[in-house]
Amino acid sequence: QKEVEQNSGPLSVPEGAIASLNCTYSDRVSQSFFWYRQYSGKSPELIMSIYSNGDKEDGRFTAQLNKASQYVSLLIRDSQPSDSATYLCAVRNSWGKFQFGAGTQVVVTP
Amino acid sequence: SQTIHQWPATLVQPVGSPLSLECTVEGTSNPNLYWYRQAAGRGLQLLFYSVGIGQISSEVPQNLSASRPQDRQFILSSKKLLLSDSGFYLCAWSEGGSNEQFFGPGTRLTVL
Repeated sequence: QKEVEQNSGPLSVPEGAIASLNCTYSDRVSQSFFWYRQYSGKSPELIMSIYSNGDKEDGRFTAQLNKASQYVSLLIRDSQPSDSATYLCAVRNSWGKFQFGAGTQVVVTP
Repeated sequence: SQTIHQWPATLVQPVGSPLSLECTVEGTSNPNLYWYRQAAGRGLQLLFYSVGIGQISSEVPQNLSASRPQDRQFILSSKKLLLSDSGFYLCAWSEGGSNEQFFGPGTRLTVL
């Protein structure tokens, strides 16, 4: 079992719709969770971090964390073509080490 | 504000040749520094991390090594490259007590 799992996609989303990305993790006592956006050929860019259960909103992005279910998600509202990228889920585990998922590719279609 | 630099941006090297990739961070002191490798279509693999000058922890046994000769400089090296060393090499930094990591622009290495 991978420590951080994501659906590889591609996730096709019409422009203006909501993109929903999911991530599960195996280390039950992980405390810190992150979403990175990575454009093709570029390095990952941190877009959201979340540390407690519930929702955290930043602009068009909402991160949701459920520690009991070991599940973290990212919602992108009013999706734009510029949101087309691969989104990486990252978890800082109980040893303080970062574990990354392989990423979900999002394609926003006009 | 903090800035992280990596060079070169791209590199094509023959099998068996040496490697030296450099990463520097500006605008912070005593950062934690990390080297990752991203193979095509795969997740990020942590190679090395450092919490201070001369302090290097290796995550994966391989023919690579890392050094931190100065507080804000992190170097990834190899004496003899393998085909399997091809990939996208990313340097990242974090504040000592912070959770968040920030990545440099990366170096794309192709070993032929």
